[in-house]
Amino acid sequence: DAGVIQSPRHEVTEMGQEVTLRCKPISGHDYLFWYRQTMMRGLELLIYFNNNVPIDDSGMPEDRFSAKMPNASFSTLKIQPSEPRDSAVYFCASSTDRSNQPQHFGDGTRLSIL
Amino acid sequence: AQKVTQAQTEISVVEKEDVTLDCVYETRDTTYYLFWYKQPPSGELVFLIRRNSFDEQNEISGRYSWNFQKSTSSFNFTITASQVVDSAVYFCALIQNQGGKLIFGQGTELSVKP
Repeated sequence: DAGVIQSPRHEVTEMGQEVTLRCKPISGHDYLFWYRQTMMRGLELLIYFNNNVPIDDSGMPEDRFSAKMPNASFSTLKIQPSEPRDSAVYFCASSTDRSNQPQHFGDGTRLSIL
Repeated sequence: AQKVTQAQTEISVVEKEDVTLDCVYETRDTTYYLFWYKQPPSGELVFLIRRNSFDEQNEISGRYSWNFQKSTSSFNFTITASQVVDSAVYFCALIQNQGGKLIFGQGTELSVKP
């Protein structure tokens, strides 16, 4: 079975540009999670969805960040406008449950904002 | 508040040595789940094991074993006869029942030298 698929794997862009990260969860997984990994803060949850509905977005750093899940097989995380401090690895994960089953992660998108 | 502490930032061993990675957690919940993930140099996050708070049985999977002790709030991970391919950053994580958000430790970077 295919795992969680993220694109692009790497993104380098200039400050002020819009960035869109994409994620395809594992088929049949009702929960989708977006995490960010930085040296300073480690791995932290940004937002998660259940059946395409955002459940907890308390980790979204500010209004420049937005996430959508238009259908069960696709989600986006957008940053507009991007800033150098947004540079990080962004992971998408999916699961069949919000807690008692493992979250399976994609390979991540390494984002660099110049 | 929930917290996961991995006090060992870096560990270096020689191949075939046994190594234990420590994980201590804090939570007020009676029902919760604990996880270990591996992040190899290629960057992806790989799920290794899940434990619920009511199951204190130790688990062994090949060269890997896990020791869960509620009395000390610890969930330690031992690799027996380590191999170079075990070199990675290992993360311990906690999630409360119905929580959604994985709380990660800061990770332990394991280096296995030939």
